[in-house]
Amino acid sequence: SYVLTQPPSVSVAPGQTATITCGGDNIGGKNVHWYHQRPGQAPVLVVFDDSDRPPGIPERFSGSNSGNTATLTISWVEAGDEADYYCQVWDSSADHVFFGGGTKLTVL
Amino acid sequence: QEQLVESGGGVVQPGRSLRLSCAASGFTFNSHAMHWVRQAPGKGLEWVAVIWYDGSNKYYGDSVKGRFTISRDNSKNTLFLQMNSLRDEDTAIYYCARDRERISMILSYWGQGTLVTVSS
Repeated sequence: SYVLTQPPSVSVAPGQTATITCGGDNIGGKNVHWYHQRPGQAPVLVVFDDSDRPPGIPERFSGSNSGNTATLTISWVEAGDEADYYCQVWDSSADHVFFGGGTKLTVL
Repeated sequence: QEQLVESGGGVVQPGRSLRLSCAASGFTFNSHAMHWVRQAPGKGLEWVAVIWYDGSNKYYGDSVKGRFTISRDNSKNTLFLQMNSLRDEDTAIYYCARDRERISMILSYWGQGTLVTVSS
């Protein structure tokens, strides 16, 4: 089983930068994808393959991945960014998708 | 416009079975792998299963292996999840999700989910 570790919560003031980490054993060797989920809604893909953005996702969302940590960075945070954020990988050795435990982003 | 609509959820007793469906529209269904992901009340996301775009391969999460079966009917643009021997801990919202490509393991679009409650 491949474990992805996220901080339970991150808080940031509007206009500041939020950083959400996702730790895993040699995660830098995998492709990491990020989703956000607002209360009562379905998850939405915000970053894929470490740092690419789907159509419609603002440039404020960016990602990186190296060593044992992948990072989602949200610049110029807005109130609408408040949500739960999940990282995800595919472990080809186990034929299994793994999600991190999720991080609740609070905009102060 | 792309759409995924799950159905078939409800209240079921432990040990019983339930079959979920996911009706797809607005994209070429037979060109994408499809996933089921669940979320227990107040908890995080848990991957359940994936089926290749042509149905040739299927993989399952550890907690459902041997009890759940994923399948698809490409002629009807529909994804299924047969759930047998249900347990209390299977209570969750079940989402179907479209893979970004034929097989990429990137869940690029999600339905709104259907609630399954396992309770006596």
